[in-house]
Amino acid sequence: GIQVEQSPPDLILQEGANSTLRCNFSDSVNNLQWFHQNPWGQLINLFYIPSGTKQNGRLSATTVATERYSLLYISSSQTTDSGVYFCAVERANTGRRALTFGSGTRLQVQP
Amino acid sequence: DAGVTQSPTHLIKTRGQQVTLRCSPISGHKSVSWYQQVLGQGPQFIFQYYEKEERGRGNFPDRFSARQFPNYSSELNVNALLLGDSALYLCASSLRRGREETQYFGPGTRLLVL
Repeated sequence: GIQVEQSPPDLILQEGANSTLRCNFSDSVNNLQWFHQNPWGQLINLFYIPSGTKQNGRLSATTVATERYSLLYISSSQTTDSGVYFCAVERANTGRRALTFGSGTRLQVQP
Repeated sequence: DAGVTQSPTHLIKTRGQQVTLRCSPISGHKSVSWYQQVLGQGPQFIFQYYEKEERGRGNFPDRFSARQFPNYSSELNVNALLLGDSALYLCASSLRRGREETQYFGPGTRLLVL
């Protein structure tokens, strides 16, 4: 199956700092989504981004499909940004809408 | 619109028992998927249903089964529970718009097997 690797596994920031989270994947994808999992376990959609660049407030994401990686940028981080960030991909040409998740980046933003 | 809903929120069972988890998709979404997330890991795909038909199955034993109803809600059943089945079970629904199909997750059911 497709492999999804996220880095770094853990990240500690001071409030106001910027960060970049990376997701590498091993095969062509139809779908790539970034999620934020809050302390209660809810997975919150951040971006649907199988290719290109999107921005939403302090967050932005870029996927370079030909090079099989995606980046999530968090600017001016806030304590509410804390949690686990997951990248999930759907392998192309399988006919199946199954997301394969990376192991996540655990972000802690300190006041 | 309401998001994906799941019930119950928490559940405690003992080894060998059976459990049924329920999911209602976002209105208009015809596809439902189930994922298992054990502590410290990313979610793992269990099943996907579309229009009441199974469209995909992950690497889970036959103790796991699911179905989708005419109103697109879904149930996940797990028989002969093992301690290792303790996890957060997540349901996702999706709607295809052109080439885009975003999955939206519910709050999950936390299952503890003693």
